[in-house]
Amino acid sequence: EDKVVQSPLSLVVHEGDTVTLNCSYEVTNFRSLLWYKQEKKAPTFLFMLTSSGIEKKSGRLSSILDKKELFSILNITATQTGDSAVYLCAVEAGTYKYIFGTGTRLKVLA
Amino acid sequence: NAGVTQTPKFQVLKTGQSMTLQCAQDMNHEYMSWYRQDPGMGLRLIHYSVGAGITDQGEVPNGYNVSRSTTEDFPLRLLSAAPSQTSVYFCASSYSSGDEQYFGPGTRLTVT
Repeated sequence: EDKVVQSPLSLVVHEGDTVTLNCSYEVTNFRSLLWYKQEKKAPTFLFMLTSSGIEKKSGRLSSILDKKELFSILNITATQTGDSAVYLCAVEAGTYKYIFGTGTRLKVLA
Repeated sequence: NAGVTQTPKFQVLKTGQSMTLQCAQDMNHEYMSWYRQDPGMGLRLIHYSVGAGITDQGEVPNGYNVSRSTTEDFPLRLLSAAPSQTSVYFCASSYSSGDEQYFGPGTRLTVT
């Protein structure tokens, strides 16, 4: 059975801290891994990763994929209160068949 | 562009009632999907479509039907609502497989 596991389930940090979120997966037909940020409403796209070892970066956020060890990490540096959200990892396990993890709830305190 | 739209935003049903959740996109995306999101469970794929006339089942398809007669619309039908279907439902679309998905605002459904 295909599965995606995220850790930790929740995290509380102070502004300025750096956080690392983890996503591990076991799927039979890996095509890509995507990260989303979900605040109160719909998820919004952050990154898509298909190749091992190539870092994707956007401002204070970065992500990397390890296809040998079957995991990805999402790093957020110099966290701000606006980073408080649920971060979702999804793996495309077959054409357009996405398996989502349960998410990591991040709370950043001022 | 309106993006992905969903109606209604909220709905309360009694057990056994049927209804259709509407989803439309104006981005000419071939790929569309329906998810449900329950507390602590993440997003689970109900049904998806890779183009007009083509649909397939996801992880949790039981109790739901879909059809895709046009590129723009992808309605989700609940045949006989059950309390276990109380959830937030998201529709999503993307230009191609592996591309980012654009999500609608969600429909919060309560079945009593």
